[in-house]
Amino acid sequence: SQQGEEDPQALSIQEGENATMNCSYKTSINNLQWYRQNSGRGLVHLILIRSNEREKHSGRLRVTLDTSKKSSSLLITASRAADTASYFCATDAWGGGADGLTFGKGTHLIIQP
Amino acid sequence: DGGITQSPKYLFRKEGQNVTLSCEQNLNHDAMYWYRQDPGQGLRLIYYSQIVNDFQKGDIAEGYSVSREKKESFPLTVTSAQKNPTAFYLCASSIFGTSGRAIYNEQFFGPGTRLTVL
Repeated sequence: SQQGEEDPQALSIQEGENATMNCSYKTSINNLQWYRQNSGRGLVHLILIRSNEREKHSGRLRVTLDTSKKSSSLLITASRAADTASYFCATDAWGGGADGLTFGKGTHLIIQP
Repeated sequence: DGGITQSPKYLFRKEGQNVTLSCEQNLNHDAMYWYRQDPGQGLRLIYYSQIVNDFQKGDIAEGYSVSREKKESFPLTVTSAQKNPTAFYLCASSIFGTSGRAIYNEQFFGPGTRLTVL
């Protein structure tokens, strides 16, 4: 079964606004990652946050992790049309080793010009 | 350029046929993965391999087979036993490093192969 659940399923905002997506998961994790997928393409890794970290930044991206609530959020500031894509969270279960990530169903983000 | 490639980009198969999807990486990664993605869905793990000549079943391995004879290559065969093979297939690789007691597993994805059964 899929570990992560993104919320909302779809989000449409105006260019320049901030976009926030949430991810909830069920079991203990070693780390949580966010990926972006443009339509019909492969996934691109955005950011990884370890279970002992609470917040991480990368350019216009800000990720938070709350292990007590088993949730994470991805904030994209000052959105651009090129940010239109699907965003997935993926968890790497503690002790799971190199046995693949567990992905949510994604949030489809549309940036209106 | 380092990267991970998949071929073909589009593949059409008649019912009852086996087809093989190619995945090659020159990133010197030990671990490789195959995922299946259906419309509006996340990725589901088919098979993974941590080292040459070894591979493990993922969540939905039935109807699929793989081989890992070389570090760079991890081909996926979709057999006639797979009842609903039409999907987008993604291959990934990772270095699977460790930092102290923490394990990290950032994955690099290929561009995908879209398989359609006619």
